[in-house]
Amino acid sequence: EAAVTQSPRNKVTVTGGNVTLSCRQTNSHNYMYWYRQDTGHGLRLIHYSYGAGNLQIGDVPDGYKATRTTQEDFFLLLELASPSQTSLYFCASSDWGGQDTQYFGPGTRLLVL
Amino acid sequence: QQNVQQSPESLIVPEGARTSLNCTFSDSASQYFWWYRQHSGKAPKALMSIFSNGEKEEGRFTIHLNKASLHFSLHIRDSQPSDSALYLCAPDNNNRIFFGDGTQLVVKP
Repeated sequence: EAAVTQSPRNKVTVTGGNVTLSCRQTNSHNYMYWYRQDTGHGLRLIHYSYGAGNLQIGDVPDGYKATRTTQEDFFLLLELASPSQTSLYFCASSDWGGQDTQYFGPGTRLLVL
Repeated sequence: QQNVQQSPESLIVPEGARTSLNCTFSDSASQYFWWYRQHSGKAPKALMSIFSNGEKEEGRFTIHLNKASLHFSLHIRDSQPSDSALYLCAPDNNNRIFFGDGTQLVVKP
């Protein structure tokens, strides 16, 4: 099964702080995704990418930047963190977009004080 | 853009029951239709998907798809306590999928 890892697993920061969440997949998948999950909501897409150097805007991009540095690595950046960004963040990868299984990492729980 | 609605929001059933979960979507161009399952404290995991109109069965799980009515559903036969989880439907469009808010299923022993 495809392996997706995320770091850190838990993060606490203060309002206005900088946070970088990391994701690595080891199956050479083309697509990588960043989601957030809040109580009462499913998974909301922040950003996604179909290859190194590519970035696509998702449904809830405000306050987030992302960068795909290699086929394996996808980063989510919060440059001025706000309490509204307190959430559970999942990274996922798939080979061919919507027609292919997405494999999820274990998640990063972020608390912005 | 895609509007995805799931019903019911939550469901409690006894062990051995047949369970039905529903999903409606708005974009008739969607081609692939997914169900993901998320156990408490875990990451979501793909359960099964369907491409063509009709029915697909895998073990105790069956998906029905009706593209004309913009509806697909998941049916679980002989529900088990281990089926207790959040079920997320997700139709695709433009190389991505759109998740609904989920149905929380509890199967009581």
